[in-house]
Amino acid sequence: GAGVSQSPSNKVTEKGKDVELRCDPISGHTALYWYRQSLGQGLEFLIYFQGNSAPDKSGLPSDRFSAERTGGSVSTLTIQRTQQEDSAVYLCASSYGPPSKVEAFFGQGTRLTVV
Amino acid sequence: AQRVTQPEKLLSVFKGAPVELKCNYSYSGSPELFWYVQYSRQRLQLLLRHISRESIKGFTADLNKGETSFHLKKPFAQEEDSAMYYCALIWNTDKLIFGTGTRLQVFP
Repeated sequence: GAGVSQSPSNKVTEKGKDVELRCDPISGHTALYWYRQSLGQGLEFLIYFQGNSAPDKSGLPSDRFSAERTGGSVSTLTIQRTQQEDSAVYLCASSYGPPSKVEAFFGQGTRLTVV
Repeated sequence: AQRVTQPEKLLSVFKGAPVELKCNYSYSGSPELFWYVQYSRQRLQLLLRHISRESIKGFTADLNKGETSFHLKKPFAQEEDSAMYYCALIWNTDKLIFGTGTRLQVFP
């Protein structure tokens, strides 16, 4: 694909259920980021991958949140026992180098609604 | 605390008026600074970065280290500039840190 792809586009889940959000970065991009976008909070950093490793997980809000990246490509963000406050748009971005040097490209996001 | 601050949630102007979107940061040293933009129903995308010293779509941003600011300016706003604007920085890592964003509304 031409850009960063995220699936699903929209997800409605019941409180307490687990959800998995997927990100397909641009081919060849080594860096991958997850952000959470909610009203009034702007873009909240969650986790950053360089290849398959995560040098910075400092933004994960709780131990209910986890993420992995396999083969230096696809990443999955998992939220266990979802709560209503987890409702937000989850954005993924990728870049082929450090974003201080090259542009980070964003996906269209997954809108998560916990009811 | 280290942070990026965008004090205005909403900025409304009329077409042709000057625009200044404020951004202040509280990191020490020399961070890399950026402005990202999200138009309605589109993806977040890079608008400009301070090291490029470019003017993109008529927008410019000057880094003021003394005031730790990186305000985004345009002398004459256009309706198509209406969007959500995020200031962002990188400091000491490869992590992009974003502000809370400012929604710019340009009225005809």
